[in-house]
Formats: sequence, structure tokens, C-alpha cells
Amino acid sequence: DVKVTQSSRYLVKRTGEKVFLECVQDMDHENMFWYRQDPGLGLRLIYFSYDVKMKEKGDIPEGYSVSREKKERFSLILESASTNQTSMYLCASSLRPSGFFNEQYFGPGTRLTVT
Amino acid sequence: AQRVTQPEKLLSVFKGAPVELKCNYSYSGSPELFWYVQYSRQRLQLLLRHISRESIKGFTADLNKGETSFHLKKPFAQEEDSAMYYCALSTDKGYGQNFVFGPGTRLSVLP
Repeated sequence: DVKVTQSSRYLVKRTGEKVFLECVQDMDHENMFWYRQDPGLGLRLIYFSYDVKMKEKGDIPEGYSVSREKKERFSLILESASTNQTSMYLCASSLRPSGFFNEQYFGPGTRLTVT
Repeated sequence: AQRVTQPEKLLSVFKGAPVELKCNYSYSGSPELFWYVQYSRQRLQLLLRHISRESIKGFTADLNKGETSFHLKKPFAQEEDSAMYYCALSTDKGYGQNFVFGPGTRLSVLP
């Protein structure tokens, strides 16, 4: 069974704190993604990684950074958390396309509240 | 630029009624389209994909390249279909894959 896990379901942090969100997949997928999910805005891509140590900015990378040291793990870092980063964060993974497009598998999400 | 629009934030239908969730996209190349669904307290999961041309849980979706649409349809809605539905567009970047999601439509099936 396909599995994408995220380190926390709920997280409460204070403004200015450094926040780490961890994502692990056990499917040997090359691609991993971080999204934030907000009502009325859908899913917005923060960062994307297509291989170990490789990353690409998504649509809303400001205030975030990522790390991919191992194929199975993709970390999202909020260098200095702000209240406007309060959101649901979703991690996803997919195989690299090989003639047809592969679906994404999602983690359960981390609801982050910044106070 | 790639974009996905879903004009309805909320769609309410009665059980047994037909349902259509609209999705339009903008992309100059050949896209791959998906519908994802999120049931209450569950993770986002794939419902169906354009390339498979399959029917999942009674839902179908047809890609209309002329109208750049990928509407999701079901002839008889069930209460368990109540969920958040996202249309997504995928494009090949060569070294990876890019996904763009629409804002989502919440479907509420009333008894």
C-alpha cells in the first residue's frame, strides 16, 4: 500500500519561530511536492523536488525553503513563521513520468497555526 | 501560463439527481487532466484521470479540447459523494512533472 506520511497532524507555533515539516514516502518516487491548502484558493505549490538535492520553486515560495537529502524524505522549512502562514500543508509524491503522467499520492496534511 | 478554474465553490444537489462539476483549463500544449477528491477527515486522493477513460464510483469526465474543459459528471448522486473535488492539470517538464490545481468545488448531496 502506498504511503506518504507527515510528521505532525497539528502544530502550533509562535511568530518568528523556525518550523520544520517533514514528509516521508515509501514508494521510491522521484518527485515530491509541498502545497498549502486554503479555502477558496485550492492547493498552491510551494516547492517541488524532482530528485535528491534538486528543487524548484513553485507558485508561492516566499518565506519557505526545502531540503531533500534522501530520496524518501522532503522537508519544508519556515525560516521565521508568520501568522499568514497559518494553513494546511500537504505533501505529495509521484513517479517521474515515463510515457504517461503519473498521479500524485498525498499525505494526511499538517494543520499549522502560527500565533 | 497554466491555469485551472472551477467556477462553483459550492454545489448542492439532492440524492438521485444528476451532478456536474465544471472544470476549465488554459494550457497551450497537450495536458493530462485529473480529478482528485477529499472526503471529510481523509487525505486527498485520485478519483479519475483523463488518460484512463474509466468510470470510478459512477463518475466520468470527458476532455473537450475545443472548449478546454474537463467536467466531472455522475447521473445519480449519492450522499457519500459529498466531498471536496479538485480538478488538476499536469504537464511534463522533462525532468519532472508540474501539477496545477483548481480552487475546488464542495459537493453537498442532500437526502
